[in-house]
Amino acid sequence: DAGVIQSPRHEVTEMGQEVTLRCKPISGHDYLFWYRQTMMRGLELLIYFNNNVPIDDSGMPEDRFSAKMPNASFSNLKIQPSEPRDSAVYFCASSLGFALEKLFFGSGTQLSVL
Amino acid sequence: GENVEQHPSTLSVQEGDSAVIKCTYSDSASNYFPWYKQELGKRPQLIIDIRSNVGEKKDQRIAVTLNKTAKHFSLHITETQPEDSAVYFCAAYGNNRLAFGKGNQVVVIP
Repeated sequence: DAGVIQSPRHEVTEMGQEVTLRCKPISGHDYLFWYRQTMMRGLELLIYFNNNVPIDDSGMPEDRFSAKMPNASFSNLKIQPSEPRDSAVYFCASSLGFALEKLFFGSGTQLSVL
Repeated sequence: GENVEQHPSTLSVQEGDSAVIKCTYSDSASNYFPWYKQELGKRPQLIIDIRSNVGEKKDQRIAVTLNKTAKHFSLHITETQPEDSAVYFCAAYGNNRLAFGKGNQVVVIP
Protein backbone atom coordinates (compact mmCIF):
# COMPACT_ATOMS: atom_id res chain seq x y z
CA ASP A 1 0.00 0.00 0.00
CA ALA A 2 1.22 3.50 -0.79
CA GLY A 3 0.13 4.81 2.57
CA VAL A 4 -2.14 7.78 3.15
CA ILE A 5 -2.01 10.05 0.13
CA GLN A 6 -2.69 13.76 0.36
CA SER A 7 -2.88 16.39 -2.32
CA PRO A 8 -1.73 18.97 -3.01
CA ARG A 9 1.58 19.01 -1.09
CA HIS A 10 1.64 22.78 -1.17
CA GLU A 11 -1.13 25.29 -1.72
CA VAL A 12 -0.73 29.02 -1.95
CA THR A 13 -3.87 31.05 -2.29
CA GLU A 14 -5.22 34.50 -1.68
CA MET A 15 -7.51 35.45 1.13
CA GLY A 16 -11.13 34.84 0.27
CA GLN A 17 -10.48 31.98 -2.13
CA GLU A 18 -11.85 28.47 -1.64
CA VAL A 19 -9.31 25.82 -0.75
CA THR A 20 -9.83 22.08 -1.14
CA LEU A 21 -7.52 19.55 0.43
CA ARG A 22 -7.74 15.89 -0.53
CA CYS A 23 -6.97 12.62 1.18
CA LYS A 24 -6.93 8.96 0.23
CA PRO A 25 -6.70 6.72 3.30
CA ILE A 26 -5.04 3.34 3.46
CA SER A 27 -7.32 0.70 1.96
CA GLY A 28 -9.25 -1.15 4.64
CA HIS A 29 -8.81 1.52 7.31
CA ASP A 30 -12.16 2.48 8.79
CA TYR A 31 -11.16 5.69 10.58
CA LEU A 32 -10.01 8.90 8.94
CA PHE A 33 -8.78 11.99 10.76
CA TRP A 34 -8.01 15.54 9.72
CA TYR A 35 -5.41 17.41 11.80
CA ARG A 36 -4.03 20.91 11.58
CA GLN A 37 -0.48 21.66 12.71
CA THR A 38 0.82 25.08 13.72
CA MET A 39 3.75 26.16 15.85
CA MET A 40 1.47 27.77 18.39
CA ARG A 41 -1.12 25.05 18.80
CA GLY A 42 0.69 21.88 17.73
CA LEU A 43 -1.44 19.08 16.28
CA GLU A 44 -5.14 19.81 16.53
CA LEU A 45 -7.84 17.31 15.61
CA LEU A 46 -10.36 18.97 13.32
CA ILE A 47 -12.72 16.11 12.52
CA TYR A 48 -12.78 12.36 12.22
CA PHE A 49 -14.87 9.83 10.33
CA ASN A 50 -15.74 6.22 11.00
CA ASN A 51 -16.91 4.17 8.03
CA ASN A 52 -17.35 7.43 6.07
CA VAL A 53 -19.61 8.97 8.72
CA PRO A 54 -18.45 12.13 10.56
CA ILE A 55 -18.26 11.30 14.26
CA ASP A 56 -16.75 14.33 15.93
CA ASP A 57 -16.34 17.70 14.24
CA SER A 58 -15.97 19.72 17.42
CA GLY A 59 -12.44 20.66 16.41
CA MET A 60 -13.52 22.41 13.22
CA PRO A 61 -12.69 26.05 13.92
CA GLU A 62 -15.74 27.64 12.31
CA ASP A 63 -18.33 27.37 9.58
CA ARG A 64 -15.79 28.24 6.94
CA PHE A 65 -14.41 24.72 7.36
CA SER A 66 -16.22 21.64 6.07
CA ALA A 67 -15.19 18.05 5.43
CA LYS A 68 -16.77 15.18 3.58
CA MET A 69 -16.05 11.53 3.03
CA PRO A 70 -18.22 10.38 0.12
CA ASN A 71 -16.68 6.91 0.08
CA ALA A 72 -14.14 4.75 1.86
CA SER A 73 -11.26 5.85 -0.35
CA PHE A 74 -11.61 9.62 -0.39
CA SER A 75 -12.11 12.60 1.88
CA ASN A 76 -11.78 16.33 1.35
CA LEU A 77 -11.47 19.32 3.62
CA LYS A 78 -12.72 22.65 2.31
CA ILE A 79 -12.10 26.15 3.57
CA GLN A 80 -14.35 28.82 2.15
CA PRO A 81 -13.50 31.65 2.31
CA SER A 82 -9.87 31.17 3.34
CA GLU A 83 -8.11 33.59 5.69
CA PRO A 84 -4.40 34.16 6.46
CA ARG A 85 -4.84 32.60 9.92
CA ASP A 86 -5.74 29.33 8.21
CA SER A 87 -2.13 28.99 7.08
CA ALA A 88 -0.83 25.72 8.53
CA VAL A 89 0.08 22.17 7.64
CA TYR A 90 -3.00 19.99 7.30
CA PHE A 91 -2.53 16.29 7.90
CA CYS A 92 -4.87 13.47 7.08
CA ALA A 93 -4.44 10.20 8.98
CA SER A 94 -6.15 6.84 8.92
CA SER A 95 -6.30 3.84 11.23
CA LEU A 96 -7.77 0.40 11.38
CA GLY A 97 -9.48 1.16 14.68
CA PHE A 98 -9.91 4.27 16.72
CA ALA A 99 -7.17 5.68 18.95
CA LEU A 100 -5.87 2.41 20.32
CA GLU A 101 -4.50 1.55 16.92
CA LYS A 102 -1.59 3.12 15.10
CA LEU A 103 -2.36 6.32 13.20
CA PHE A 104 -0.83 6.51 9.73
CA PHE A 105 -0.31 10.09 8.63
CA GLY A 106 -0.17 11.43 5.12
CA SER A 107 2.61 13.78 4.00
CA GLY A 108 0.48 16.81 4.76
CA THR A 109 -0.57 19.86 2.79
CA GLN A 110 1.30 23.07 3.49
CA LEU A 111 -1.31 25.81 3.10
CA SER A 112 -0.37 29.45 2.80
CA VAL A 113 -3.13 32.03 2.58
CA LEU A 114 -1.83 35.43 1.55
CA GLY B 1 -11.52 17.24 27.50
CA GLU B 2 -8.06 15.73 27.83
CA ASN B 3 -5.18 18.19 28.14
CA VAL B 4 -1.65 17.03 27.36
CA GLU B 5 1.44 19.06 28.14
CA GLN B 6 5.04 18.35 27.19
CA HIS B 7 8.25 19.52 28.81
CA PRO B 8 10.75 20.79 27.90
CA SER B 9 9.76 22.39 24.60
CA THR B 10 13.31 22.13 23.29
CA LEU B 11 16.05 19.75 24.36
CA SER B 12 19.64 19.69 23.16
CA VAL B 13 21.84 16.69 23.94
CA GLN B 14 25.31 15.56 23.00
CA GLU B 15 25.47 12.56 20.73
CA GLY B 16 25.67 9.43 22.86
CA ASP B 17 23.92 10.97 25.85
CA SER B 18 20.35 10.19 26.93
CA ALA B 19 17.29 12.34 26.30
CA VAL B 20 14.14 12.34 28.43
CA ILE B 21 10.88 14.03 27.49
CA LYS B 22 8.04 14.20 29.96
CA CYS B 23 4.32 14.55 29.32
CA THR B 24 1.50 15.17 31.74
CA TYR B 25 -2.18 14.54 31.12
CA SER B 26 -5.33 15.60 32.88
CA ASP B 27 -7.90 12.81 32.42
CA SER B 28 -7.32 9.99 34.89
CA ALA B 29 -9.44 7.72 32.68
CA SER B 30 -6.98 7.94 29.78
CA ASN B 31 -5.65 4.51 28.97
CA TYR B 32 -3.43 4.72 25.90
CA PHE B 33 -0.30 6.83 25.40
CA PRO B 34 1.54 6.85 22.07
CA TRP B 35 4.64 8.78 21.05
CA TYR B 36 5.10 10.10 17.52
CA LYS B 37 8.31 11.31 15.91
CA GLN B 38 8.27 13.97 13.22
CA GLU B 39 11.45 14.69 11.31
CA LEU B 40 11.80 18.05 9.62
CA GLY B 41 9.33 18.40 6.75
CA LYS B 42 7.98 14.89 7.18
CA ARG B 43 4.91 13.23 8.59
CA PRO B 44 4.53 12.14 12.24
CA GLN B 45 5.22 8.44 12.74
CA LEU B 46 4.46 6.25 15.74
CA ILE B 47 7.63 5.10 17.49
CA ILE B 48 6.34 3.55 20.69
CA ASP B 49 3.16 3.36 22.74
CA ILE B 50 2.05 2.15 26.15
CA ARG B 51 -1.26 1.10 27.60
CA SER B 52 -2.41 1.87 31.11
CA ASN B 53 -1.98 -1.66 32.41
CA VAL B 54 1.79 -1.48 31.86
CA GLY B 55 4.33 0.68 33.67
CA GLU B 56 7.19 0.52 31.19
CA LYS B 57 7.87 -0.56 27.65
CA LYS B 58 11.16 -0.71 25.80
CA ASP B 59 12.12 -1.01 22.16
CA GLN B 60 15.87 -0.97 21.49
CA ARG B 61 17.10 2.53 22.38
CA ILE B 62 13.73 3.99 23.25
CA ALA B 63 11.55 3.35 26.26
CA VAL B 64 8.38 4.82 27.70
CA THR B 65 7.42 4.86 31.38
CA LEU B 66 3.97 5.59 32.76
CA ASN B 67 3.01 6.83 36.21
CA LYS B 68 -0.77 6.73 36.41
CA THR B 69 -0.92 8.09 39.93
CA ALA B 70 0.96 11.22 38.96
CA LYS B 71 -0.60 11.28 35.47
CA HIS B 72 2.64 11.55 33.61
CA PHE B 73 4.58 9.48 31.12
CA SER B 74 8.05 9.90 29.71
CA LEU B 75 10.03 9.01 26.61
CA HIS B 76 13.61 7.91 27.14
CA ILE B 77 16.13 7.79 24.30
CA THR B 78 19.50 6.28 25.14
CA GLU B 79 22.75 6.57 23.18
CA THR B 80 21.31 9.38 21.09
CA GLN B 81 22.32 9.65 17.45
CA PRO B 82 21.97 12.52 14.95
CA GLU B 83 19.00 10.78 13.33
CA ASP B 84 17.13 11.12 16.63
CA SER B 85 16.90 14.88 15.99
CA ALA B 86 13.20 15.55 15.45
CA VAL B 87 10.02 16.81 17.08
CA TYR B 88 8.45 14.26 19.40
CA PHE B 89 4.72 14.35 20.16
CA CYS B 90 3.10 12.56 23.04
CA ALA B 91 -0.62 11.85 23.10
CA ALA B 92 -3.22 10.50 25.49
CA TYR B 93 -6.47 8.78 24.70
CA GLY B 94 -9.39 9.76 26.90
CA ASN B 95 -13.05 10.71 26.43
CA ASN B 96 -13.07 9.16 22.95
CA ARG B 97 -10.42 11.55 21.79
CA LEU B 98 -6.70 11.28 21.18
CA ALA B 99 -5.16 14.54 22.38
CA PHE B 100 -1.63 15.49 21.32
CA GLY B 101 0.88 17.61 23.17
CA LYS B 102 2.50 20.51 21.35
CA GLY B 103 5.72 18.65 20.72
CA ASN B 104 9.33 18.67 21.90
CA GLN B 105 12.18 19.64 19.60
CA VAL B 106 15.13 17.33 20.29
CA VAL B 107 18.48 18.35 18.84
CA VAL B 108 21.33 15.87 18.98
CA ILE B 109 24.68 17.63 18.74
CA PRO B 110 27.35 15.56 16.98
